[in-house]
Amino acid sequence: DVKVTQSSRYLVKRTGEKVFLECVQDMDHENMFWYRQDPGLGLRLIYFSYDVKMKEKGDIPEGYSVSREKKERFSLILESASTNQTSMYLCASRTRQGWAGELFFGEGSRLTVL
Amino acid sequence: TQLLEQSPQFLSIQEGENLTVYCNSSSVFSSLQWYRQEPGEGPVLLVTVVTGGEVKKLKRLTFQFGDARKDSSLHITAAQPGDTGLYLCAVPSGNTGKLIFGQGTTLQVKP
Repeated sequence: DVKVTQSSRYLVKRTGEKVFLECVQDMDHENMFWYRQDPGLGLRLIYFSYDVKMKEKGDIPEGYSVSREKKERFSLILESASTNQTSMYLCASRTRQGWAGELFFGEGSRLTVL
Repeated sequence: TQLLEQSPQFLSIQEGENLTVYCNSSSVFSSLQWYRQEPGEGPVLLVTVVTGGEVKKLKRLTFQFGDARKDSSLHITAAQPGDTGLYLCAVPSGNTGKLIFGQGTTLQVKP
């Protein structure tokens, strides 16, 4: 079974702190994604990585950066957390074989910024 | 501007009723996926449609891709409480494989 593991289910941080959200997948997938989920807004793409060290901005990249140094790991970084970044963050991975491939999601990381 | 519009946003029905949810856009897509998300979990793929006019069935769920490949519908027959969840449609965007989601339809099926 494909497994996508997010490092923390729940985090509470203070405004201005640097936050790292880690995601690891065990299926040798080329593509990895970070989404943010807010009620009524569905999933909004923050960043997408189509291969190691390759990244592309999604719809809402402001205030976020990412790192993909190894194929299995995709990290989301909030350089200076703000209260409007309180949200559920979902990581996903997919093989590169066609854009119709299935996305496999982690269980999510719920971040609260005080 | 939302690339994908899902409707309705929220639906609450009794067990045994039928329902249809929609995913619409003004753009043409090479494929479209439907996912379901249950509370506390990540979304899980239900189906992928790739051909205009295509109809796929998954037990009591029927998925249709519009002839022009701009829209899709999900019909559930005789809904059950286990169908409760957030239903999301998703399409590829650009030429690198990004996947974009709609805002979702929250379905509540009461016993």
